[in-house]
Amino acid sequence: SYELTQPPSVSVSPGQTARITCSGDALPKQYAYWYQQKPGQAPVLVIYKDSERPSGIPERFSGSSSGTTVTLTISGVQAEDEADYYCQSADSSGTYRVVFGGGTKLTVL
Amino acid sequence: EVQLVESGGGLVQPGRSLRLSCAASGFTFDDYAMHWVRQAPGKGLEWVSGISWNSGSIGYADSVKGRFTISRDNAKNSLYLQMNSLRAEDTALYYCAKDGNVPGLDLGYYFDYWGQGTLVTVSS
Repeated sequence: SYELTQPPSVSVSPGQTARITCSGDALPKQYAYWYQQKPGQAPVLVIYKDSERPSGIPERFSGSSSGTTVTLTISGVQAEDEADYYCQSADSSGTYRVVFGGGTKLTVL
Repeated sequence: EVQLVESGGGLVQPGRSLRLSCAASGFTFDDYAMHWVRQAPGKGLEWVSGISWNSGSIGYADSVKGRFTISRDNAKNSLYLQMNSLRAEDTALYYCAKDGNVPGLDLGYYFDYWGQGTLVTVSS
């Protein structure tokens, strides 16, 4: 089955840049999406179609894609950005299937 | 304002059934595909099922195929998930999520709004 691989954790100091990667064989053919989830809350879409930012999401959140890896970048990290981040994409085998990465815990030191 | 409110969760014995509901408001419900996504306690997100605006396209995760049935009632702005033959591994918070695709299209691949979830616990 298709899998997306994320690092379990990333740590960064306030004001620094955090980069969270997500790898998957189908990413060159399928868009990636990113969600932020804070404890006890529902996920929030922060990036769609690799690099588009929904309205209301701060400009410090950006996304990029290169080959089989996509990256969520948070510039000038703030304490409120501490959360779990999930990448998500789709299987390109022809069967409709949505796949999530395992999630990355972002810790703001 | 888009609102998605799930209900129907609870404690159920293995092998039994449960039906989840999601009441939608704040958008034209029958224009959009809808999905169920679950999260086991302390674990990551898992897509469960999706249904297109007109119920013409439906998809299921392999883990629930043959046991769960998704449906919708556009007249009632409601989404449902009938869960049969429940297992301990189905224990999770179940989220209702709106498809992020443009209106009137088939199943999309991402979710732009989420409800707060309803907890399903499968245990004897």
